[in-house]
Amino acid sequence: KQEVTQIPAALSVPEGENLVLNCSFTDSAIYNLQWFRQDPGKGLTSLLLIQSSQREQTSGRLNASLDKSSGRSTLYIAASQPGDSATYLCAATSGTYKYIFGTGTRLKVLA
Amino acid sequence: GAVVSQHPSWVICKSGTSVKIECRSLDFQATTMFWYRQFPKQSLMLMATSNEGSKATYEQGVEKDKFLINHASLTLSTLTVTSAHPEDSSFYICSAPLLDTQYFGPGTRLTVL
Repeated sequence: KQEVTQIPAALSVPEGENLVLNCSFTDSAIYNLQWFRQDPGKGLTSLLLIQSSQREQTSGRLNASLDKSSGRSTLYIAASQPGDSATYLCAATSGTYKYIFGTGTRLKVLA
Repeated sequence: GAVVSQHPSWVICKSGTSVKIECRSLDFQATTMFWYRQFPKQSLMLMATSNEGSKATYEQGVEKDKFLINHASLTLSTLTVTSAHPEDSSFYICSAPLLDTQYFGPGTRLTVL
């Protein structure tokens, strides 16, 4: 059974810092891994999708990497801004479209 | 891009009543949709897989008689919370796949008084 965990659970950084969010999964036979952002009381905003054949994806200040052999994915945020404050969720799917979500990292970027 | 909508966006109901939540794929067809539940400060947990024209598949621990799912068309799945109790208060999110991507609805916040 796939289990997805995220470390740290919460993170507070000053504006401008580069930061890394970690996602670990127990079953390496994943199909996709996706990173989402969730603002308080809101739905999900998709950030980056990494297919199992890929090692990383980039969008603007965001870079996500995937290492299936070690069961890990990281989300790198460059030059963080207060507007980046949100909860970040990673989710893994094993090909049936059923996403198993991680526990989330609550990020706060201080101005 | 593909869009998934949910209605209502929030609902407040009395304990013991039933509430229906709709999930629509606006510009694509989806034979399968998924329903998730998110309690405060927790992650999303998959509740069930909604299958067009057949019975839904429920995850372990989810009561199928309490959470009724109907996927009557290729663009609409409904989740009915029957005999709602305060512990059913949660954020319910649906999703629908298109090619290799899962598209999520904006969520419905249910509060049971």
